[in-house]
Amino acid sequence: KAGVTQTPRYLIKTRGQQVTLSCSPISGHRSVSWYQQTPGQGLQFLFEYFSETQRNKGNFPGRFSGRQFSNSRSEMNVSTLELGDSALYLCASSLFGDSTDTQYFGPGTRLTVL
Amino acid sequence: KQEVTQIPAALSVPEGENLVLNCSFTDSAIYNLQWFRQDPGKGLTSLLLIQSSQREQTSGRLNASLDKSSGRSTLYIAASQPGDSATYLCAGMMYSGGGADGLTFGKGTHLIIQP
Repeated sequence: KAGVTQTPRYLIKTRGQQVTLSCSPISGHRSVSWYQQTPGQGLQFLFEYFSETQRNKGNFPGRFSGRQFSNSRSEMNVSTLELGDSALYLCASSLFGDSTDTQYFGPGTRLTVL
Repeated sequence: KQEVTQIPAALSVPEGENLVLNCSFTDSAIYNLQWFRQDPGKGLTSLLLIQSSQREQTSGRLNASLDKSSGRSTLYIAASQPGDSATYLCAGMMYSGGGADGLTFGKGTHLIIQP
């Protein structure tokens, strides 16, 4: 079956702009999580959605937000972009997001902020 | 706050060797411990998931163990091959007030298998 897809794969923005990234989970998966990966901080958890509700949130400023639709597709939005937001953004899907579920990651969206 | 540490940060070994990657975590209140590999420019691929009630999991040439009391997990790779070259990441799923939290990742071990 098809894996997790993320669009776009690459994105270049300038400071102050906003950006929306999209994630389509594996069919049947209801949990979608987002992570930011940078060389300095590594992988950091942003938030997790299940059945259109945000269940958990990492330690990121309010400029980072997300949502999930009824078909489990998810979007994350970053407003007022800063240079430090340049990163690989990964989403992961799983059936229910609980401790028994394997997390399946997408290929990521590479965001560059100039 | 949970911290996950991976040692060594980089490792280069000849093909055919058996090797061990180490992961330590500071908070034993974990739901599970997962190992992933990441190839350059790509997302993460899940290798093994160990529930907090389990001691180890095996898949092919890979074996992962979990010792919650000491806050350690190891990934054992048998008979290494050049295709095993990648960055290996361990991550713990933590308890939180609302149930399972997001994964807390280590910085990874960059592994090179020399042909």
